[in-house]
Amino acid sequence: QSVLTQPPSASGAPGQRVTISCSGTTSNLENNFVYWYQQFPGTTPKLLLHKNGQRPSGVPDRFSGSQSGTSASLAISGLRSEDESTYYCASWDDGLRGVVFGGGTKLTVL
Amino acid sequence: EIQLVESGGAFINPGGSLGLSCSTSGFTFTDAWMSWVRQAPGKGLEWIGRVKSKPDGGTIDYAAPVKGRFTISRDDSTNTLFLQLDNLKTEDTAMYYCTTVVTANSAWFSHWGQGTLVTVSS
Repeated sequence: QSVLTQPPSASGAPGQRVTISCSGTTSNLENNFVYWYQQFPGTTPKLLLHKNGQRPSGVPDRFSGSQSGTSASLAISGLRSEDESTYYCASWDDGLRGVVFGGGTKLTVL
Repeated sequence: EIQLVESGGAFINPGGSLGLSCSTSGFTFTDAWMSWVRQAPGKGLEWIGRVKSKPDGGTIDYAAPVKGRFTISRDDSTNTLFLQLDNLKTEDTAMYYCTTVVTANSAWFSHWGQGTLVTVSS
């Protein structure tokens, strides 16, 4: 059972917009930034969005993030086949004094 | 270019011990906070712990499931991060990644190694 809650799966057709939610608590998302990671099968996780939904160099602007209260979300617009991957949210947890991850959402592009 | 290269993964019996290393280059390791993250086969990501830079105190924090069994350390003279795993359990089977930590008390892992696989089984 992950501290941050994500839907296990999501899907969308090419060109559509899909959102992935991440639900936390007052110990993590309410007072700490959420970070999003993308992981393709058999590869290393890659930072997708960092604090305040900012994108590292090389990440397309089709990826965006928002955060409010104890929830956060990742939005992918103009869905492409290469976006098919697993997405994880993560945050610092003040109560646990450590990093907590969501269980991951596997995105399927129909 | 920032590079993180883990090594030391192996097949080991329950109750055994193992030492992992993460050799780094391309950044000022002395000033860097570092973390270990693991991923069991077919499962999600799990934070193991992190070590602050020595200028920031060098404090080490661990996740509850590994506290007392795992030990994180660093050697700034060789730019290397270590993870000592003791009293291993089958549930410790995972790919172990070292990461850089960008800011204090955050989940901001900007760079990851390719991982090293630890398999605990009798």
